[in-house]
Amino acid sequence: TQLLEQSPQFLSIQEGENLTVYCNSSSVFSSLQWYRQEPGEGPVLLVTVVTGGEVKKLKRLTFQFGDARKDSSLHITAAQPGDTGLYLCASKGAQKLVFGQGTRLTINP
Amino acid sequence: GAGVSQSPRYKVAKRGQDVALRCDPISGHVSLFWYQQALGQGPEFLTYFQNEAQLDKSGLPSDRFFAERPEGSVSTLKIQRTQQEDSAVYLCASSSGQGANYGYTFGSGTRLTVV
Repeated sequence: TQLLEQSPQFLSIQEGENLTVYCNSSSVFSSLQWYRQEPGEGPVLLVTVVTGGEVKKLKRLTFQFGDARKDSSLHITAAQPGDTGLYLCASKGAQKLVFGQGTRLTINP
Repeated sequence: GAGVSQSPRYKVAKRGQDVALRCDPISGHVSLFWYQQALGQGPEFLTYFQNEAQLDKSGLPSDRFFAERPEGSVSTLKIQRTQQEDSAVYLCASSSGQGANYGYTFGSGTRLTVV
């Protein structure tokens, strides 16, 4: 079973700062998805990356997939309180998603 | 419907009681998944349906857990003789396909508390 490790587990920063969170795997990803989950809600898909070295941008969020497809990062520029939430990476296999434990991000006004 | 609907949102059960959790997926989505999320953790896979066929139930923690999707739409997750360790949020998700670029749409979950 593929193991996904996310770091840091918790991150609390001030509004306007930049941050990066990481997702590492014990084996190669077929494809990787990032989700954001807010309290009391289910995870919401942000992006899917498939190709090694791929970079995708979603407004202030930049997602990078490692060349060897065993790691990924999420960089947020000028964080806002609305970015607060649990960020989950997930390995997408043939039939199911395997999630990491998440990074709990808090942006303080 | 527009999204995945789960009911009830909250359930408190006495230890030993049976519970049934319902999931209404997005209309036309053939794939349906159940996940269990403990406090402060990522979701963990329980089981997967393609239409009415349960193709993977490897994540069900014990034979007290049972899921069905008899007509290929609504699904029910049943937990018999609940134990305190069953307390968690149970998430349902659906997807229109299985390719690399297909994402899952999750419901808001059912928070189960066993007392």
